[in-house]
Amino acid sequence: GENVEQHPSTLSVQEGDSAVIKCTYSDSASNYFPWYKQELGKRPQLIIDIRSNVGEKKDQRIAVTLNKTAKHFSLHITETQPEDSAVYFCAASPAGTASKLTFGTGTRLQVTL
Amino acid sequence: DSGVTQTPKHLITATGQRVTLRCSPRSGDLSVYWYQQSLDQGLQFLIHYYNGEERAKGNILERFSAQQFPDLHSELNLSSLELGDSALYFCASNGAGEDTEAFFGQGTRLTVV
Repeated sequence: GENVEQHPSTLSVQEGDSAVIKCTYSDSASNYFPWYKQELGKRPQLIIDIRSNVGEKKDQRIAVTLNKTAKHFSLHITETQPEDSAVYFCAASPAGTASKLTFGTGTRLQVTL
Repeated sequence: DSGVTQTPKHLITATGQRVTLRCSPRSGDLSVYWYQQSLDQGLQFLIHYYNGEERAKGNILERFSAQQFPDLHSELNLSSLELGDSALYFCASNGAGEDTEAFFGQGTRLTVV
């Protein structure tokens, strides 16, 4: 089955700096790669996703890049703000949807003033 | 508010017991997904239903079962509960276009004592 590895497990940045979280996956059949943000005690929320026919996607301060050959994808957050502090999960699915998602272990991002 | 409703919010029960978790998807959504979040296993996909039919199974134990009813609400049944089943159980839903964003409910926190 699919295996998704996520690094780092914790990340501390100063407000205004950039943050990068990296994930690798094992199953070449995976074709959908969402990123979720989960604040303490709350539900995961989709922040951005990318499909295997696209190499990069951007939404304001958030971007995701995908390298299918190397089987890795990354989340980039620019101009970080305190409200970006949360746990971020990457995931991969061969189904092109939220079905059969395999999640990474999460990255706790702390944005300090 | 995602529009996905899960009940109950909290559940405490003893080992060996059986519980039922309920999920009402967003109005019009045909797909319901169940996920488990625990300290040991992280976030795991359990099962996906689409318009009453099982679409995909993930790491769901044989002691667990689910169904989706004609009104599209779903129930996750957990039986012969063990301490290790203590976790946060999320459901998510999305529409007929299954490649759209899946919206998570607030989760049911199950504690097995």
